[in-house]
Amino acid sequence: QKEVEQNSGPLSVPEGAIASLNCTYSDRVSQSFFWYRQYSGKSPELIMSIYSNGDKEDGRFTAQLNKASQYVSLLIRDSQPSDSATYLCAVIIHTNAGKSTFGDGTTLTVKP
Amino acid sequence: EAQVTQNPRYLITVTGKKLTVTCSQNMNHEYMSWYRQDPGLGLRQIYYSMNVEVTDKGDVPEGYKVSRKEKRNFPLILESPSPNQTSLYFCASSSPAAPGEQYFGPGTRLTVT
Repeated sequence: QKEVEQNSGPLSVPEGAIASLNCTYSDRVSQSFFWYRQYSGKSPELIMSIYSNGDKEDGRFTAQLNKASQYVSLLIRDSQPSDSATYLCAVIIHTNAGKSTFGDGTTLTVKP
Repeated sequence: EAQVTQNPRYLITVTGKKLTVTCSQNMNHEYMSWYRQDPGLGLRQIYYSMNVEVTDKGDVPEGYKVSRKEKRNFPLILESPSPNQTSLYFCASSSPAAPGEQYFGPGTRLTVT
């Protein structure tokens, strides 16, 4: 089992819809969770971080964390064509904060 | 402007010819990492450093070396590159206050023939 698994894509949603991206992790010691967006041919950029159970909202983005279920998700409301990208989930463990583990990514396409 | 720079951006080389990819950041970050990205395999961490003279192996360190003699620089060394090291490489940095909130460089596309 991979340490960080993301729902296989690609994911396609119509403009204005809600896109839901999911990530599960295997290590219960994982404590910090991150969502990065990567446009084709570009480097990853951080869009959300979440450190405690519950929801965290930032504009059209909401990250949800459920440590009991070892599950973190990213919701994108009112999806726009500019949201079309690959979304990477990452986790770290505070006892070894330099080590990051990424999922394989989910490619999202928002169709006008 | 806060940034992570990498050089070169593109490199084609031959098997066995030593090469170095440089990485520099201007944010005074203690944490720096190297990743490789291959189709379908996501980002895999090669090495990371949590401070000057402190480095540790990531998930795929074989065939790579790093050094951290200055806070701002974290070069990646391939002493004898092989074709299976053909990949897209990213350097990243972050603060110990938020180690997972990484800033990535633009990437280096390496081809080893």
